[in-house]
Amino acid sequence: QSVLTQPPSVSAAPGQKVTISCSGSSSNVGNNYVSWYQQLPGTAPKLLMYENNKRPSGIPDRFSGSKSGTSATLGITGLQTGDEADYYCGTWDSSLRAVVFGGGTKLTVL
Amino acid sequence: QVQLQESGPGLVKPSETLSLTCSVSGGSISSYYWSWIRQPPGRGLEWIGYIYDNGETSYNPSLKSRVTISVDTSKKQVSLKLRSVTAADTAVYYCAGRSSDWYWYFDLWGRGTLVTVSS
Repeated sequence: QSVLTQPPSVSAAPGQKVTISCSGSSSNVGNNYVSWYQQLPGTAPKLLMYENNKRPSGIPDRFSGSKSGTSATLGITGLQTGDEADYYCGTWDSSLRAVVFGGGTKLTVL
Repeated sequence: QVQLQESGPGLVKPSETLSLTCSVSGGSISSYYWSWIRQPPGRGLEWIGYIYDNGETSYNPSLKSRVTISVDTSKKQVSLKLRSVTAADTAVYYCAGRSSDWYWYFDLWGRGTLVTVSS
């Protein structure tokens, strides 16, 4: 059971837009920055978004992040088959004093 | 650019100690907070703990009693020891780095190494 809650799966057609939610509490998402990771099949996670809505160098602006209250959202526009991956949100939990992750969301581009 | 390589036994017997090393190349070991993160087969990510080059550590409360993370700056290596392992500790173990002085996100990842706990 993960501290942060993500939908197990989402899907959309190529070229469309999808959003992935990450729900937490005041001890984690509500009061700390959220990051997002993309894990392509058989590979290590890769930083996709940090400090809620900042993209590392090399990440296209098709990817966006936002946060409101105790929920964060990753948005992906212009979906490509290469975007098929597992996506994880993560943040610090001030009560647990630990980094916590969501259970991951599998994106399928139909 | 900085690269990470995890190494260690791929098979550990139950009740024994899992020991892994993360070698840092292409940059300074002192620029990052180093964490170990694991991922059981088919499941999500779990943070194990971190170390800074001054020896400062913090561990996941769920694993704290069994974990030690250490750093050897001269060898540019970060090590993980997990004691009294069981089958539930079977996972891909990742070494990950955080460059931010303030915020928790991991901008550097190793490729991971699979450790299976079995007799």
